[in-house]
Amino acid sequence: KNQVEQSPQSLIILEGKNCTLQCNYTVSPFSNLRWYKQDTGRGPVSLTIMTFSENTKSNGRYTATLDADTKQSSLHITASQLSDSASYICVVISNFGNEKLTFGTGTRLTIIP
Amino acid sequence: EAGVAQSPRYKIIEKRQSVAFWCNPISGHATLYWYQQILGQGPKLLIQFQNNGVVDDSQLPKDRFSAERLKGVDSTLKIQPAKLEDSAVYLCASSLARTSGRIREQYFGPGTRLTVT
Repeated sequence: KNQVEQSPQSLIILEGKNCTLQCNYTVSPFSNLRWYKQDTGRGPVSLTIMTFSENTKSNGRYTATLDADTKQSSLHITASQLSDSASYICVVISNFGNEKLTFGTGTRLTIIP
Repeated sequence: EAGVAQSPRYKIIEKRQSVAFWCNPISGHATLYWYQQILGQGPKLLIQFQNNGVVDDSQLPKDRFSAERLKGVDSTLKIQPAKLEDSAVYLCASSLARTSGRIREQYFGPGTRLTVT
């Protein structure tokens, strides 16, 4: 069964600090992995998309890594800001005829001043 | 570029009542998705359309949920009759038509928060 597990479930850090969110998946066949940011009351917004051959991808203060051998990904946030408070969802896409998205349950990140 | 539009943003109904949600995708996007997101969980795909045809509705509870996209643009999702466990955010997303070898980005609307009492 295709699954995406994220950790931690929730995280509280001080403004300006760094943090790393984890994603482990068992999805096959693998096409690409995405990290989404979902603000409260809003739809998810894509941060990064990585294919099998990509190990790292950055989007401003967000850096995602992918280890396709161990089926793990991480999202590192540098110099956190209050606006980073949101849920971060890891999504793995398989592509066997039709694209299938498997969503993680997300990590709820709270930045405190 | 205008985003995915959804209405209403919030809806409160009693169990056994009916409710309908509307979605207007990004112009030119052939593929439209409806997701159900229960509090604290990731979105779950309910149905996927390619133009006005259904691609995947394997997780749609067809005894109470229905969806249509008659003209291949706007879509409506209906629940009849609603149950307490249907309380969730219903997200609509759209993407360009599938092109071999190309990654398609999905763009999400703000969602409709449904509360069933």
